[in-house]
Amino acid sequence: DGGITQSPKYLFRKEGQNVTLSCEQNLNHDAMYWYRQDPGQGLRLIYYSQIVNDFQKGDIAEGYSVSREKKESFPLTVTSAQKNPTAFYLCASTILLGNTIYFGEGSWLTVV
Amino acid sequence: GENVEQHPSTLSVQEGDSAVIKCTYSDSASNYFPWYKQELGKRPQLIIDIRSNVGEKKDQRIAVTLNKTAKHFSLHITETQPEDSAVYFCAAKLSNDYKLSFGAGTTVTVRA
Repeated sequence: DGGITQSPKYLFRKEGQNVTLSCEQNLNHDAMYWYRQDPGQGLRLIYYSQIVNDFQKGDIAEGYSVSREKKESFPLTVTSAQKNPTAFYLCASTILLGNTIYFGEGSWLTVV
Repeated sequence: GENVEQHPSTLSVQEGDSAVIKCTYSDSASNYFPWYKQELGKRPQLIIDIRSNVGEKKDQRIAVTLNKTAKHFSLHITETQPEDSAVYFCAAKLSNDYKLSFGAGTTVTVRA
């Protein structure tokens, strides 16, 4: 778990702004994920990537964008099109074809 | 895609008693079933997992059982302690997919 670093831990966004959440892993994992968690709710998949330069939409991709230019990095941009972005965002990773998914410590995003 | 349902949503137990959380899944092709524990404001941590070729797995006070025919699996915590208080999530993954589908979570409170 300690090999997945998310930053910043807390972020405030003004209405109409795009913000980018960073996720870096040094576990040499091939697959990376972004989940969103609302207070008292479960985890919903936003995007995932199995290899560099490739990614797929999850269940709630609208209003978000990602890139995977390097194996160790999978940043998430929350765009102004995401109307209700206040949530806890979790990055995760796993070995390709592996099963255990490990999570980063999360980033809290609040719209002000 | 896979759909996971988790019950109950909240569970209060007396310290020393057992706690049981049940999950059902929809796709018989799912072959990996992890359980995560999440403390308030923290990331989910894997506590135990089971694969479809196994019916039961134990790790100290924690056990998981899987019934493939009925498509349900359960988490059992024995001799509960105050530090067991947390939110517990079950999840399921299809054998040919990288996505992990989560249940909505169970908030467990252990009363001293």
